Amino acid sequence: EAQVTQNPRYLITVTGKKLTVTCSQNMNHEYMSWYRQDPGLGLRQIYYSMNVEVTDKGDVPEGYKVSRKEKRNFPLILESPSPNQTSLYFCASSLYASPYGYTFGSGTRLTVV
Amino acid sequence: GNSVTQMEGPVTLSEEAFLTINCTYTATGYPSLFWYVQYPGEGLQLLLKATKADDKGSNKGFEATYRKETTSFHLEKGSVQVSDSAVYFCASWMDSSYKLIFGSGTRLLVRP
Repeated sequence: EAQVTQNPRYLITVTGKKLTVTCSQNMNHEYMSWYRQDPGLGLRQIYYSMNVEVTDKGDVPEGYKVSRKEKRNFPLILESPSPNQTSLYFCASSLYASPYGYTFGSGTRLTVV
Repeated sequence: GNSVTQMEGPVTLSEEAFLTINCTYTATGYPSLFWYVQYPGEGLQLLLKATKADDKGSNKGFEATYRKETTSFHLEKGSVQVSDSAVYFCASWMDSSYKLIFGSGTRLLVRP
């Protein structure tokens, strides 16, 4: 089944403790992206990647890092999480940088205390 | 800059009522427009799309028409069902931006 898989689904952590949210797709998509969803704000892009080793900032990149060493994986790294990063996170992918065939993961709900 | 504005919710309707969720966009060019639906505990799923002015997207009884003159893409359904209860997001895409730009989402609750 074609899908984008995120892990974990739920995570509660403490301020300052480094964490990684994994994202993997099995569709051989070139383009991948991370969004965060907050009430009243919709989804905002954090980072995106056009291809392996090519990443760029979205609208809200502060406090996040990403890497794209393999085509299928695009992990989101929070080096020193803070409470304002409490949010619902979605990974998405598409064949190329286009909205057609855009596939979202099921989301990761992160709480930073 | 580019943005999408949609009506605030929640919208509460009785089953078989008519639904309209308003969406307007601002853009420097002519974006492609989308409606996504998010069911509880799930990711976003594409509901319908339109790529140019006057295009009408439709799926599962939902429709939306790309209106360039009013920069709008309102979502409509003639008769909603309880199973339509979800959060609906309007979104736009400009090829120059490499991202979907989302509205704030509208929660729809349909009562039996």
